[in-house]
Amino acid sequence: SQTIHQWPATLVQPVGSPLSLECTVEGTSNPNLYWYRQAAGRGLQLLFYSVGIGQISSEVPQNLSASRPQDRQFILSSKKLLLSDSGFYLCAWSEDRDRNEKLFFGSGTQLSVL
Amino acid sequence: QQPVQSPQAVILREGEDAVINCSSSKALYSVHWYRQKHGEAPVFLMILLKGGEQKGHEKISASFNEKKQQSSLYLTASQLSYSGTYFCGTPDQGAQKLVFGQGTRLTINP
Repeated sequence: SQTIHQWPATLVQPVGSPLSLECTVEGTSNPNLYWYRQAAGRGLQLLFYSVGIGQISSEVPQNLSASRPQDRQFILSSKKLLLSDSGFYLCAWSEDRDRNEKLFFGSGTQLSVL
Repeated sequence: QQPVQSPQAVILREGEDAVINCSSSKALYSVHWYRQKHGEAPVFLMILLKGGEQKGHEKISASFNEKKQQSSLYLTASQLSYSGTYFCGTPDQGAQKLVFGQGTRLTINP
């Protein structure tokens, strides 16, 4: 069966520090991968998605970046965090078939930038 | 473009019914519904693929009106476990990504 791992679960970082969040999927190959962010009490904002190794689509211009160095690994990074980067970050995956595949979410990372 | 959900929040007593609506200004090819408990990841509920399609799981069902570009989620005889935030999601045409509405917070009180 397929599983998705996301870590860390909680992170507290000072403004201006770097960030690296990692997500891995097991039990499937060539998945579509996604990073969403959720501000406190708000909706799910799509940040990046990837349909293959090295293929990253950015949805919102900001100081975050994403990379997919391996088929089932998706990394969210920042060189310098801002206060506005605080939020609940969710990694998700879907089968690479068509637009109608459901998303499976990781357990999320609660990031607080102070 | 982000679909629009209404209402933004609902408070019910256990056993009451609720309807959550999701509409789009663009043509809809399918609609996903997810539920998120506080502090947890969203969990898939159902997907509707065709206009007019209706689906159900226990006492939660949904309909999809392709012509009106909207979907509705129906929660019948609500249980405490139904509390959470409900999101509808619509695939973006030509791209394999899902765009979510702003969410509807459902609170069920005993």
